[in-house]
Amino acid sequence: DAGITQSPRYKITETGRQVTLMCHQTWSHSYMFWYRQDLGHGLRLIYYSAAADITDKGEVPDGYVVSRSKTENFPLTLESATRSQTSVYFCASSERSTSGRHNEQFFGPGTRLTVL
Amino acid sequence: AQKITQTQPGMFVQEKEAVTLDCTYDTSDPSYGLFWYKQPSSGEMIFLIYQGSYDQQNATEGRYSLNFQKARKSANLVISASQLGDSAMYFCAMREANFGNEKLTFGTGTRLTIIP
Repeated sequence: DAGITQSPRYKITETGRQVTLMCHQTWSHSYMFWYRQDLGHGLRLIYYSAAADITDKGEVPDGYVVSRSKTENFPLTLESATRSQTSVYFCASSERSTSGRHNEQFFGPGTRLTVL
Repeated sequence: AQKITQTQPGMFVQEKEAVTLDCTYDTSDPSYGLFWYKQPSSGEMIFLIYQGSYDQQNATEGRYSLNFQKARKSANLVISASQLGDSAMYFCAMREANFGNEKLTFGTGTRLTIIP
């Protein structure tokens, strides 16, 4: 199916475990993003990628690792999960904006992660 | 300072009435884009409407319009003739600076409830 998908949709893990959240998009968008959504904070950017093999930190990168070996995939890894990382995680993608218009981001369905 | 401020945590509106969701922003960059997203209870993020800082006219998309007041740095979303399906969280977001910087900064959102 065309679009942007995330897996798993729900995940329960324990403190200290490594967890990887997957994101896949079929549009060949240049940019991909990871956000976390917490009550009272809206969506906060964790990491983003402008192209394959190019990644950069967002507002809240601590405790997370990303990679982007292929344009269509952008996995997010929690190397040692903590309870404060319990959240809903959204992946998004967009094409590079051109003169005259800033392009919107398209979001995946989200992954609800609980760290016990 | 908050870059995006949504001062209404929650709103209740009678069905078929118009509703205005407030959003103020803070930037010193002359080129920026403003976006509104809808998040229904099912959790997905749906792009609604976009306004560029250089756009001469307010953006409209069906029942959605953006009341853009550049001097006041406000970008309020107006929904005409509200429907029960409009009940959702609404997020305002901004993208700043030059094309190529695709990051979005989100507000904390407004939960809109439409009353039958």
